[in-house]
Amino acid sequence: AQSVTQLDSQVPVFEEAPVELRCNYSSSVSVYLFWYVQYPNQGLQLLLKYLSGSTLVKGINGFEAEFNKSQTSFHLRKPSVHISDTAEYFCAVSDRGNYGQNFVFGPGTRLSVLP
Amino acid sequence: NAGVTQTPKFQVLKTGQSMTLQCAQDMNHEYMSWYRQDPGMGLRLIHYSVGAGITDQGEVPNGYNVSRSTTEDFPLRLLSAAPSQTSVYFCASSTRGGANQPQHFGDGTRLSIL
Repeated sequence: AQSVTQLDSQVPVFEEAPVELRCNYSSSVSVYLFWYVQYPNQGLQLLLKYLSGSTLVKGINGFEAEFNKSQTSFHLRKPSVHISDTAEYFCAVSDRGNYGQNFVFGPGTRLSVLP
Repeated sequence: NAGVTQTPKFQVLKTGQSMTLQCAQDMNHEYMSWYRQDPGMGLRLIHYSVGAGITDQGEVPNGYNVSRSTTEDFPLRLLSAAPSQTSVYFCASSTRGGANQPQHFGDGTRLSIL
């Protein structure tokens, strides 16, 4: 079964500093990778996705992520964070199996941007 | 464009009561899912549907029932609520196309069981 690890449950960072949120997944087969953001009292919103092709993926709000197949990682980065980036971030993986059976979320990382 | 709409947004129940969480989408998506979100555990799949009349169990189905009579609606039923079902519930939908399609989420239903 798939599993997703987000090593940091909480990441505090000062405004305008860079940030990296780590994500590792277990599957060695071809996968699709996603990052979602959840603002307080809201649902999850897609930040970016990796389906194939270039391993560096750019998303909304200045975020990007790099797919590393050999390390089974999909870390999320932003060069300069803003107060409004404070939210919870979820990494998710799905593979070529049947829908619903193979879409797995990580436990989430809470990003706190400090003034 | 409403997307995925969940009602109610908040609900408090007593142990043993029943209720239905509503989910509707207006994007003509074939695939719909219910997740529960608990602190430190991410989202766990409860039930899902790949089309009208077709449903299946996810990771944590016990205590929940679903049905899919139309493409638009996918209600989640709690037959006899238990405190362990206190959680935030999210409905999601996506187009046919399988695992490479991102899911679209509603804003959630915050449920407390006393």
